[in-house]
Amino acid sequence: KNEVEQSPQNLTAQEGEFITINCSYSVGISALHWLQQHPGGGIVSLFMLSSGKKKHGRLIATINIQEKHSSLHITASHPRDSAVYICAVRSIQGAQKLVFGQGTRLTINP
Amino acid sequence: NAGVTQTPKFQVLKTGQSMTLQCAQDMNHEYMSWYRQDPGMGLRLIHYSVGAGITDQGEVPNGYNVSRSTTEDFPLRLLSAAPSQTSVYFCASKPGGLSYEQYFGPGTRLTVT
Repeated sequence: KNEVEQSPQNLTAQEGEFITINCSYSVGISALHWLQQHPGGGIVSLFMLSSGKKKHGRLIATINIQEKHSSLHITASHPRDSAVYICAVRSIQGAQKLVFGQGTRLTINP
Repeated sequence: NAGVTQTPKFQVLKTGQSMTLQCAQDMNHEYMSWYRQDPGMGLRLIHYSVGAGITDQGEVPNGYNVSRSTTEDFPLRLLSAAPSQTSVYFCASKPGGLSYEQYFGPGTRLTVT
């Protein structure tokens, strides 16, 4: 079993829909990251969080440390949100290293 | 700041050839790492460095060498390319410490025939 599991693996939605991507992990962590990878391939960091909730524009990330679970929400989704969203955790044992989920491929149709 | 740069963007090698993927960052980050990304799998750590002169193996180090002679540069060497090394390679950097976000390079798409 992977240390970081994302669901769903693929998600297709219509423009304007509320999107939720989930991430579950099995190790103790110091931080959890949400990353975005566009079709061109580049990876950018969206959020880094260790507790609670963070919001940037239409993106919201939450984490529940006790349940070892995080969600990434997109409100009022737009075709430009189409990308692969990756969850990664920095485990307490692994110090600097990140462990990545397999990613969720999101497609927003106009 | 250019951030994290990688060269080349694309490369085709024949089995057995060697090459070096270049990675540089201008943010004075202590920590640098190399990942490979394969279809259906998450990014996997190949090698990492916590500072100049210090490197260590990640999850999938076989067939790759690294060195870190300066803070800025972290090249990845393929000693004798194999088709199993066909992948997209990402270099990343971050400041030292546990809580900083990681910055990724644009990636190198490598095909080994």
